[in-house]
Amino acid sequence: DSGVTQTPKHLITATGQRVTLRCSPRSGDLSVYWYQQSLDQGLQFLIQYYNGEERAKGNILERFSAQQFPDLHSELNLSSLELGDSALYFCASSVEAGTPLHFGNGTRLTVT
Amino acid sequence: AQRVTQPEKLLSVFKGAPVELKCNYSYSGSPELFWYVQYSRQRLQLLLRHISRESIKGFTADLNKGETSFHLKKPFAQEEDSAMYYCALRAQGGSEKLVFGKGTKLTVNP
Repeated sequence: DSGVTQTPKHLITATGQRVTLRCSPRSGDLSVYWYQQSLDQGLQFLIQYYNGEERAKGNILERFSAQQFPDLHSELNLSSLELGDSALYFCASSVEAGTPLHFGNGTRLTVT
Repeated sequence: AQRVTQPEKLLSVFKGAPVELKCNYSYSGSPELFWYVQYSRQRLQLLLRHISRESIKGFTADLNKGETSFHLKKPFAQEEDSAMYYCALRAQGGSEKLVFGKGTKLTVNP
């Protein structure tokens, strides 16, 4: 078990709604990464935090935001949801730069 | 910009046959390459990283900077190797993010 915990496992919501996905990194890991996995786009990097601060930004929509809290857990907020936001959202963590990423089981979001 | 290309969406082989999953990358600097595997209904797991030059579960991968490739190989495929395989790149000295290819679904038939 890699130790990265994501909740909830599944989320079904309607268009226009807002949801929050939560990630607890492995003990000792300071970096948290968020990825979106969809059938046609594969794994897309969204955003990275390191010890509470935003470190890198990828293809993250303005409707999406994230933060990392002092206890190092992270939340990804998705608002004004659209059908196309349906995907598997993965969180990963690493100790520091240059070390491998360890992934959580993901949150499957279905927007109806 | 960094880009990873896995030309095969699907790859099907028979048990005991050799398997090669192709990965090509585009990056002007010095990259760090990885292979991740995702078994059915499980999380992505690190399989290999090129700097380790190790063999995991019989798989090997060699970084070929001339051909900008990092193909994953196994001489004798097993049914339990059936999974999604993702090649990923990280720019050394740059952002820590991983850029992934779209993945190859490997099916090993009995």
